[in-house]
Amino acid sequence: GAVVSQHPSRVICKSGTSVKIECRSLDFQATTMFWYRQFPKQSLMLMATSNEGSKATYEQGVEKDKFLINHASLTLSTLTVTSAHPEDSSFYICSARVMETQYFGPGTRLLVL
Amino acid sequence: GESVGLHLPTLSVQEGDNSIINCAYSNSASDYFIWYKQESGKGPQFIIDIRSNMDKRQGQRVTVLLNKTVKHLSLQIAATQPGDSAVYFCAEIARSGSARQLTFGSGTQLTVLP
Repeated sequence: GAVVSQHPSRVICKSGTSVKIECRSLDFQATTMFWYRQFPKQSLMLMATSNEGSKATYEQGVEKDKFLINHASLTLSTLTVTSAHPEDSSFYICSARVMETQYFGPGTRLLVL
Repeated sequence: GESVGLHLPTLSVQEGDNSIINCAYSNSASDYFIWYKQESGKGPQFIIDIRSNMDKRQGQRVTVLLNKTVKHLSLQIAATQPGDSAVYFCAEIARSGSARQLTFGSGTQLTVLP
C-alpha cells in the first residue's frame, strides 16, 4: 500500500509557541491530503482538507488562523498549530488519498505545557 | 446528520477464536466502505475495503460482509492472534457536494486473550 510519513512523531512545546507538523507521501503524489485530530479513546475527526496549490478547506468549528495548512507540493503538506495552548494537545494524523482509498500517516503526538 | 456507528465499543476474544466486529451506517448514499486497524499510538492501517455492489470480500484472515438492506457492515478475523489487538474503525465514503468524503465510525477495541 501507499506510504505516508509524518514528522515529528511527538513534540512537546510551551504554551504560546507554534508547532509545525509535516506530512509526506513517500511513493506517490497526492493532490489532496487530509488532517485529522484524535483525542484519547475517540475516533478521528477531520480538521481540514489540504489541496495542492490552493487553499485548504476547513471543517466547521476548526479555526483556520490557528491551524495553518500549506500544501506546497504533491508530496508534502504541513500543519502549523499557532500559539498552541494545552487544549491543543492531541494526536494529529494526516492522510493521503490514492484513488478512493485513504492511507494514514503514523501520527504526531502534541503535548502543550 | 448521518453517521457511521458501531454496535459494541469493546470486544474480547480468546486467541485462536474468530472475531466479528460490527458496524451500522445510516447514509444510504455511501457506496464504498473501509475497515482500518489502529494500534496504540499509531495511525490507522488499511485492512480491507468493499464497494456497495458487493456483499462479501475476503482478504488474508479477514472477511468483510456488507448488508445494504439493513445498512450493516462486519469484519471477521479468523484465528485471532495477539497482534490483532487494536481499535478497529469502519469508514464509509459518500459524495458530499463535489467531493467524496470519508467518515469514521466510533471504533471497537478488540482485545485478544491468551
